[in-house]
Amino acid sequence: KNQVEQSPQSLIILEGKNCTLQCNYTVSPFSNLRWYKQDTGRGPVSLTIMTFSENTKSNGRYTATLDADTKQSSLHITASQLSDSASYICVVSAAGGSYIPTFGRGTSLIVHP
Amino acid sequence: EAGVAQSPRYKIIEKRQSVAFWCNPISGHATLYWYQQILGQGPKLLIQFQNNGVVDDSQLPKDRFSAERLKGVDSTLKIQPAKLEDSAVYLCASSLGQGSNSPLHFGNGTRLTVT
Repeated sequence: KNQVEQSPQSLIILEGKNCTLQCNYTVSPFSNLRWYKQDTGRGPVSLTIMTFSENTKSNGRYTATLDADTKQSSLHITASQLSDSASYICVVSAAGGSYIPTFGRGTSLIVHP
Repeated sequence: EAGVAQSPRYKIIEKRQSVAFWCNPISGHATLYWYQQILGQGPKLLIQFQNNGVVDDSQLPKDRFSAERLKGVDSTLKIQPAKLEDSAVYLCASSLGQGSNSPLHFGNGTRLTVT
């Protein structure tokens, strides 16, 4: 069964600090992995997409990594801002067949001033 | 480009009542999804359309939920009758194609409270 597990479930950090969110998956065969940011009361918005051959991808202060061998991904946020407070959801897609992405439960990040 | 539009934003109903949600996807997006997101959890797929055909509805509680996408554009999701456990945010998403490289574009959702 395809599964996506995220940790931690929630995280509180001070503004300006860095943090790393984790995602482990069992989706097979692997096609790609996306990190979405979901602000309170809004729909998720795609931050990055990682394919099998990519190890690192950056989007501003967000850097995603992928280890396809261990089936792990991380999202690193540098110099956090108050606007980073949101839920971060890891979504993994399988190759072939009908495209049904598997969602993680998300990590709730709170950035305090 | 205009995003995915959903209405209403909020809805409060009593159990056993009926409710309907509406979604207008991004123009040209063939694939449309309805997700249910319970507080503190990730979105759970209810149904996926490719144009006006159903691709997957295996997790749709068909005894009370129904969805349609007439003409392959707008879509409606209906719950009849509602139960307390249906309280959640209902998200609509669309993508350009069915391929896994197409990102999902989400609307802001409809928050349903069943009392």
